Amino acid sequence: DVKVTQSSRYLVKRTGEKVFLECVQDMDHENMFWYRQDPGLGLRLIYFSYDVKMKEKGDIPEGYSVSREKKERFSLILESASTNQTSMYLCASSPWDSVFYGYTFGSGTRLTVV
Amino acid sequence: AQTVTQSQPEMSVQEAETVTLSCTYDTSESNYYLFWYKQPPSRQMILVIRQEAYKQQNATENRFSVNFQKAAKSFSLKISDSQLGDTAMYFCAFIIYQTGANNLFFGTGTRLTVIP
Repeated sequence: DVKVTQSSRYLVKRTGEKVFLECVQDMDHENMFWYRQDPGLGLRLIYFSYDVKMKEKGDIPEGYSVSREKKERFSLILESASTNQTSMYLCASSPWDSVFYGYTFGSGTRLTVV
Repeated sequence: AQTVTQSQPEMSVQEAETVTLSCTYDTSESNYYLFWYKQPPSRQMILVIRQEAYKQQNATENRFSVNFQKAAKSFSLKISDSQLGDTAMYFCAFIIYQTGANNLFFGTGTRLTVIP
């Protein structure tokens, strides 16, 4: 089975800290995604990447950046965490040419910024 | 713009009964795929069922089936013989058919509780 692993299940950070959320997939997928999940808002796309060192903005990229130095790893960076970034963050991956299969998701990181 | 609407924030059903979750979407594209994802308390998003827009036949996966009405842009999920393990958030989503990175557009979710 494809696995998408997010390094932390829960994180608590202070306002102004630089925060790294890590995601690793083990099935050689080209595409990787970061979503933010909030009650009543569903999942909103922050950034995605379709290749190493490539990145594209999603719907809500403000306050975030990403890094993809290796194919299997996609990092989400909060340059200066703020309380409005308290949320659940979900990473996902998919093959380049298999849209039919949808995405494979990680188990999420619940981030609290205090 | 691509949008997905789930008008039922919460639903409940008695164990062994049938429940239908509604979903409507909007897109100007003609080739796309539709999905229902389940997110149990463990938070792992699990693909429940998928439907190709070009297929008229409704998809079925065991106790899960969909009612796909392309003209109405409606994609409802029916769960038969509900089980306690079906308690979860359910998200409707669709993806435009194209090669390369493809964005899944999600609805806001329906929280389903199965009552013993």
